[in-house]
This record gives sequence, C-alpha cells and structure tokens, in this order.
Amino acid sequence: GAVVSQHPSRVICKSGTSVKIECRSLDFQATTMFWYRQFPKQSLMLMATSNEGSKATYEQGVEKDKFLINHASLTLSTLTVTSAHPEDSSFYICSATQESNQPQHFGDGTRLSIL
Amino acid sequence: AQKITQTQPGMFVQEKEAVTLDCTYDTSDQSYGLFWYKQPSSGEMIFLIYQGSYDEQNATEGRYSLNFQKARKSANLVISASQLGDSAMYFCAMRERYSSASKIIFGSGTRLSIRP
Repeated sequence: GAVVSQHPSRVICKSGTSVKIECRSLDFQATTMFWYRQFPKQSLMLMATSNEGSKATYEQGVEKDKFLINHASLTLSTLTVTSAHPEDSSFYICSATQESNQPQHFGDGTRLSIL
Repeated sequence: AQKITQTQPGMFVQEKEAVTLDCTYDTSDQSYGLFWYKQPSSGEMIFLIYQGSYDEQNATEGRYSLNFQKARKSANLVISASQLGDSAMYFCAMRERYSSASKIIFGSGTRLSIRP
C-alpha cells in the first residue's frame, strides 16, 4: 500500500538551530502534502498545505518565515523550522494522499525538542 | 468553515465489550469524506475507516464500523469486541470537496482505555 516516510524521527538541538524535516511519498506521486503540529494530549493542527512546484498555503496564525516549506518534487516535501526556540518543541507530522476518496497516509512524525 | 466535534475526551471500556466513539461535523459542502484514525502512544497515525458523503451504506472494516447519520451530521465509530491493543487516542476527521488537495481537519480526539 501507499507509504509516507518522514525523517528524522527525533531531533534534539540547541536554541537558534534550524531543523529540516523530510516527508517522502514512497510509492506514489503526491502533488499535495500536509504538515501538522501536535502538542501533547492535543489534536493535530494543520500548519500548511505543501503544493508541488508552487508556494505552500499556510493556515492562519502560522508564520511562513518561521516554518519554511519546499515541495520541489512529486515525492518530497520539506519543512524547515528556522532559528528554532523551545516553544517550537512539538510533534510534527506530514501526510499525503493519492486520491480524494482515499485516506491520508501519515509519516511516523518527528519529535522536535529545542533546548 | 468545516468543523469536527468529539465530545468524549476519555473513555474506559471493559475488554470484549463494544464501544462507540462520538463524532459530529459541520460543513456546507454536499461532497465530503469522513475518516477515523487511531494514534497509539508511539505517535503514528493509523487509518481505520472511511465514509463518503454519498455512500448509502455504513462503512465497515473488520471490528470497526461507522454509524453514519447524514441528517444529524454524525459519524460515530463503533468498535466491537474491544481488545487491550485498542487503547489509544482516536481522531475523527473530515475532508471537504472530494479533492486530494483539500485539507483534512481533525477533531480534538477521544482517549480510549480498555480495562482487562
């Protein structure tokens, strides 16, 4: 079945570091991918829609200069948390889908901890 | 704007009993899809079941069934014969407009705990 791979699974780094997270669709092409953020014991909050070959669409309240999204190919989207600070610590998870009536396939998520 | 509501933050159920997790939604679209996902403590999102707004029959997948009541805008998940491994967070989600580019919005989730 369709699989989405997300890397890395865990990042621990110092404040001020920029962190790149990759999301790959392994056996299908995804013109659209989605990035979510999840705080402990809360639901998934959609951050942005990543569009292949064009700019990402950000949800209200999400800083596009803070969370840079690049979707350069049909199988890869990247989220870069720039100059990360402790408040950026969270669980980030990406998803993609092949067809509209098919479920979103999720990566395994990235636990980001900023010291 | 679309909205998903899960009113049960937590539930405890005895092993082997059936359990119903509630989900109501709000949308102005006629064409939409409803999903249920399971998230264990490890964090991955596991797809359970899907219901399209035009599907006449309630969706079923093994021990999971979706009680779809379109007029009431509810899409409750029913788990039959619960197992200890069913303990997890469960999220109801909706996608509008039947497009792969349409975003999926999640409810706040229900934490299900199965007692042995």
